[in-house]
Amino acid sequence: DAGITQSPRHKVTETGTPVTLRCHQTENHRYMYWYRQDPGHGLRLIHYSYGVKDTDKGEVSDGYSVSRSKTEDFLLTLESATSSQTSVYFCAISVAVGDRGLNTEAFFGQGTRLTVV
Amino acid sequence: QKEVEQNSGPLSVPEGAIASLNCTYSDRGSQSFFWYRQYSGKSPELIMSIYSNGDKEDGRFTAQLNKASQYVSLLIRDSQPSDSATYLCAALSGGYNKLIFGAGTRLAVHP
Repeated sequence: DAGITQSPRHKVTETGTPVTLRCHQTENHRYMYWYRQDPGHGLRLIHYSYGVKDTDKGEVSDGYSVSRSKTEDFLLTLESATSSQTSVYFCAISVAVGDRGLNTEAFFGQGTRLTVV
Repeated sequence: QKEVEQNSGPLSVPEGAIASLNCTYSDRGSQSFFWYRQYSGKSPELIMSIYSNGDKEDGRFTAQLNKASQYVSLLIRDSQPSDSATYLCAALSGGYNKLIFGAGTRLAVHP
């Protein structure tokens, strides 16, 4: 499982409430990502991080914020949850592979199923 | 908008046959490509990565890359019912090791 833990695994929340999802990794990888997965859309990038306090927006970042105060933790916050944010959220890390580490592969956490009612 | 396109399927093949999954991408700058398998309710699992033109084989899986045609494929030989899953094609694009995913192809292998 590449040492990635997401919490919570399931959450039901009400519209308008703030929600924070946590991604924790144990191997000090620099790059971390938050994706959401919806039927017919595959995985879409929300935000990503390339180091402590270094984050940037992905293609579907509206309504989301992130923080990375430690290498091992990447938090995704929905400031005011809406029904359109009902989805499955995946955290991923990027790992250097190959003889000289010139290539990369990405590995995913178990996912968080979020329902906004 | 950089994109990865896949046929959503379902692709239905009999047990023991070859399943052929295809993917096209729009970013000519992409150099690395990946196939993930995702069972229902589970997270994506990396099964193949390919970085150069040609074929790459790993067990029953063969990935094929043609950068001139911007085309990636995955062949699964001797398909088994346990191969029934959604297969996601992804391309590395835009720096910071970001991946762009296709919507996935659902494969059903029937006995």
